Amino acid sequence: RKEVEQDPGPFNVPEGATVAFNCTYSNSASQSFFWYRQDCRKEPKLLMSVYSSGNEDGRFTAQLNRASQYISLLIRDSKLSDSATYLCVVDSYSGYSTLTFGKGTMLLVSP
Amino acid sequence: DGGITQSPKYLFRKEGQNVTLSCEQNLNHDAMYWYRQDPGQGLRLIYYSQIVNDFQKGDIAEGYSVSREKKESFPLTVTSAQKNPTAFYLCASSPSRELFFGEGSRLTVL
Repeated sequence: RKEVEQDPGPFNVPEGATVAFNCTYSNSASQSFFWYRQDCRKEPKLLMSVYSSGNEDGRFTAQLNRASQYISLLIRDSKLSDSATYLCVVDSYSGYSTLTFGKGTMLLVSP
Repeated sequence: DGGITQSPKYLFRKEGQNVTLSCEQNLNHDAMYWYRQDPGQGLRLIYYSQIVNDFQKGDIAEGYSVSREKKESFPLTVTSAQKNPTAFYLCASSPSRELFFGEGSRLTVL
């Protein structure tokens, strides 16, 4: 089983739509979870950390389900500028704590 | 402004040549990392360093070398032993868990 798995997409949605991505992880000892955003041919940028109780930042909501080992990202009222690849990142605790990246889910928001 | 600076942004080299990619940060972060990204692939960890004069191999260290002589600097050398060096290389630093990336260096080996 891969350490961090994501549906590669693309998810094609119209402006204003609500879209959700899931990500599963294999290491039950993982403690830190993040969503990063990566635009085409650019560096990843931290979108938000994911906390056990769930957290919200404007139109973005992140949830963690430890029992089923997945995290989710919900984007409400999608904007054209939300078009990007969203990377799920999990602490892998392989010897020393390092982060493992999923391959990303591509989102395309159309007018 | 605080940040992470990678150079060069684009680099072309002939097969068999060693290449050094620069990474400098003024965020006062102890930890620094090098990742490699190939098309359609996730980021893969090459090397990381938690403190000056110490660094650890990541998942794909073969064919690469690093040094950490100063807190601000973590250069990566891509040696001729690396079989498929053409890739997007990303340097990152971290204050604790989350990573902050430089703009990346795109290496093409001809």
